[in-house]
Amino acid sequence: DGGITQSPKYLFRKEGQNVTLSCEQNLNHDAMYWYRQDPGQGLRLIYYSQIVNDFQKGDIAEGYSVSREKKESFPLTVTSAQKNPTAFYLCASSPSGSGNEQFFGPGTRLTVL
Amino acid sequence: KQEVTQIPAALSVPEGENLVLNCSFTDSAIYNLQWFRQDPGKGLTSLLLIQSSQREQTSGRLNASLDKSSGRSTLYIAASQPGDSATYLCAVSPPDTGRRALTFGSGTRLQVQP
Repeated sequence: DGGITQSPKYLFRKEGQNVTLSCEQNLNHDAMYWYRQDPGQGLRLIYYSQIVNDFQKGDIAEGYSVSREKKESFPLTVTSAQKNPTAFYLCASSPSGSGNEQFFGPGTRLTVL
Repeated sequence: KQEVTQIPAALSVPEGENLVLNCSFTDSAIYNLQWFRQDPGKGLTSLLLIQSSQREQTSGRLNASLDKSSGRSTLYIAASQPGDSATYLCAVSPPDTGRRALTFGSGTRLQVQP
């Protein structure tokens, strides 16, 4: 069953803690993305990776970090430096070519207590 | 900087009605445009992808058009059903091959009344 999985579905964090959100895809896609969604708003780009071992900052990268050690995995760490981390986090992937259609995972809802 | 706007922000229609959702973007230099559906608390489901060289795409009761020169796209839903109730998002991809991340609109929240 091909697709994108994200875990956990819900995550609670105390202030000052770092947390890591998992994103895995078995679609053999080269590119992967992390977006953040706040209530009533569209998605904003945090980080993206076009290829293994390479990633770039998006529009709102401050307070976040990523790694891309394997093609199928693109974990996102929300650090204590992120001042307002409560949001819905969505991971996506796309193939090279084929119109660059992006496919999304089910999301992780992060709440800071 | 690319900006994407969706109008209306919310829409309520009776079942069976045909409807049009609008999307506009400020920079016509795009690689493609994608329409998504999002159910509450869920991820995004891709509905239609239109390449910059195309004018429209169809899938079942959905038809999306693209007028790149005027920076507009419309999503037409025929014979709406209560199951169509969701938020619809449009997003554009830049031509830069080094960064194909999407810029999103804020969405149109659609409710179809039975």
